[in-house]
Amino acid sequence: AQSVTQPDIHITVSEGASLELRCNYSYGATPYLFWYVQSPGQGLQLLLKYFSGDTLVQGIKGFEAEFKRSQSSFNLRKPSVHWSDAAEYFCAVNNNNDMRFGAGTRLTVKP
Amino acid sequence: NAGVTQTPKFRVLKTGQSMTLLCAQDMNHEYMYWYRQDPGMGLRLIHYSVGEGTTAKGEVPDGYNVSRLKKQNFLLGLESAAPSQTSVYFCASGLAVYEQYFGPGTRLTVT
Repeated sequence: AQSVTQPDIHITVSEGASLELRCNYSYGATPYLFWYVQSPGQGLQLLLKYFSGDTLVQGIKGFEAEFKRSQSSFNLRKPSVHWSDAAEYFCAVNNNNDMRFGAGTRLTVKP
Repeated sequence: NAGVTQTPKFRVLKTGQSMTLLCAQDMNHEYMYWYRQDPGMGLRLIHYSVGEGTTAKGEVPDGYNVSRLKKQNFLLGLESAAPSQTSVYFCASGLAVYEQYFGPGTRLTVT
């Protein structure tokens, strides 16, 4: 069965610093890939998605992600973190409606 | 345009009781999904529907039933609630398999 691994449970960065959240998936083919963000007590909001084509995808709020087939990775990046980016981030893969999420990475932003 | 709404927002059940969670969307989406979110486990797909009158099992369907009698509504039922079903339940809808918009969630506690 396909699976999604987010190795970092919790990350703390200083405001203005760069950010990279890791995501690895286990599946034979290239599924659809997603990053979602969840603020406390809220539902999930889609940041960006990858289906095919350019392996560097741009999303909302200044986020981008790079798909690396050889590493089965889809890491999320932001060059300069803002205090409002503090939230939980989920990587997800979808293959033929079988949607699997990672366990999430909680981001804390230090002033 | 309300998007995806979930009713109720909170509920407490005793073991063995039954209940139905309602998800409604006003975006004319074909696809609808039910997930549960537990600490440290991300979201797990319970059931989904690819159109009115259709339903399919996801990753963790046991103990739940669903119905999609109208395109805009997707109901999740618990026939005999168990403490293991204490969770936050999220509904999502989308036009296609790679697009999901999430509701605000329902927090269910089974005692």
